[in-house]
Amino acid sequence: RKEVEQDPGPFNVPEGATVAFNCTYSNSASQSFFWYRQDCRKEPKLLMSVYSSGNEDGRFTAQLNRASQYISLLIRDSKLSDSATYLCVVNTGRRALTFGSGTRLQVQP
Amino acid sequence: DVKVTQSSRYLVKRTGEKVFLECVQDMDHENMFWYRQDPGLGLRLIYFSYDVKMKEKGDIPEGYSVSREKKERFSLILESASTNQTSMYLCASSSTSGVSYEQYFGPGTRLTVT
Repeated sequence: RKEVEQDPGPFNVPEGATVAFNCTYSNSASQSFFWYRQDCRKEPKLLMSVYSSGNEDGRFTAQLNRASQYISLLIRDSKLSDSATYLCVVNTGRRALTFGSGTRLQVQP
Repeated sequence: DVKVTQSSRYLVKRTGEKVFLECVQDMDHENMFWYRQDPGLGLRLIYFSYDVKMKEKGDIPEGYSVSREKKERFSLILESASTNQTSMYLCASSSTSGVSYEQYFGPGTRLTVT
């Protein structure tokens, strides 16, 4: 079983739609959680950290459910520029991070 | 702005060649990492280093070695390149002083071994 699992997609949504991605992780000792964004042929970049109480950054909302060991990302009012691969990332207490394989989002006009 | 640079964007090497991939960061970060990224497999950690001359194996260290002689520079070495090492290689760095261990990535090196 992979340590971090994501639906690879693609999720094809129209502009203005709301879309949600989930991610599950296997290590209950995981301490920190993140969503990274990766554009085609570019490096991953931090989108947002995920806190236990949930957090919001503009159109993006991240939630953490420790009991069920999953993390979610909600994008409201999707823009064409949101098209990318979204990587779920977990830290289990070591200095390195564990990355999911990513969920591809394609926002269509 | 944090800057992580990698020596090459594209590299083509022959089977059996020794390959050096260089990574430099300018933010005085303690931690540096090498990943490879393949379709469907995501980013997999090859090696990381948390201090000069210190290194730890990641999830897939076989066929690779690393060198960290200076804090800002972390090199990945393929002793004898093989076709199954054709991949995108990403270097990253992070600070120990932060709480989140956020990693900053370089632009990547797309290596083809023929």
